[in-house]
Amino acid sequence: AQRVTQPEKLLSVFKGAPVELKCNYSYSGSPELFWYVQYSRQRLQLLLRHISRESIKGFTADLNKGETSFHLKKPFAQEEDSAMYYCALRGDTGNQFYFGTGTSLTVIP
Amino acid sequence: EADIYQTPRYLVIGTGKKITLECSQTMGHDKMYWYQQDPGMELHLIHYSYGVNSTEKGDLSSESTVSRIRTEHFPLTLESARPSHTSQYLCASSDPGTYDEQYFGPGTRLTVT
Repeated sequence: AQRVTQPEKLLSVFKGAPVELKCNYSYSGSPELFWYVQYSRQRLQLLLRHISRESIKGFTADLNKGETSFHLKKPFAQEEDSAMYYCALRGDTGNQFYFGTGTSLTVIP
Repeated sequence: EADIYQTPRYLVIGTGKKITLECSQTMGHDKMYWYQQDPGMELHLIHYSYGVNSTEKGDLSSESTVSRIRTEHFPLTLESARPSHTSQYLCASSDPGTYDEQYFGPGTRLTVT
């Protein structure tokens, strides 16, 4: 079964501290993984996708197939990073996305 | 401006009423989706569409129905609303050229009393 797990519902870090949001997935094939973000009073939007191997707003995420993880990391958290973050997996057919329950990140000034 | 719209944003309605949640996009995307999200829970896909006259059910069983008569329009209908339908409904569209990146609408928060 295809599934995404985000073990932390809430995460608080101080400004300037490193941050890591955890994501684990269950998938039998070659996964396509994404991170979506929702800032306060804004829509859910794409932050980054693993296949692009990009860094967006200082965030990176590495796919670890051995640990079936796709953790989101940033070396120095900023207050504007406070938001809800969702990890997502694109399913077999390519038409279905599976989202985790989300992690609410608060960056303390 | 290319965007995806949902109306109404908030709806409080009594049990047994028929409701239609509207979703329109001006991005020219063929693929569209409906997700349901309860507070603190995952987004669950309830319907998707490849294009005009194409609709499929998602993994989460839903009593709602959808139609896709025009590319830009993907309404969701509940024939008889019940309190268990209380949830947030998110519409999205995607562009296969960007790995089906999901573009989300603002959502409709439905409360059935």
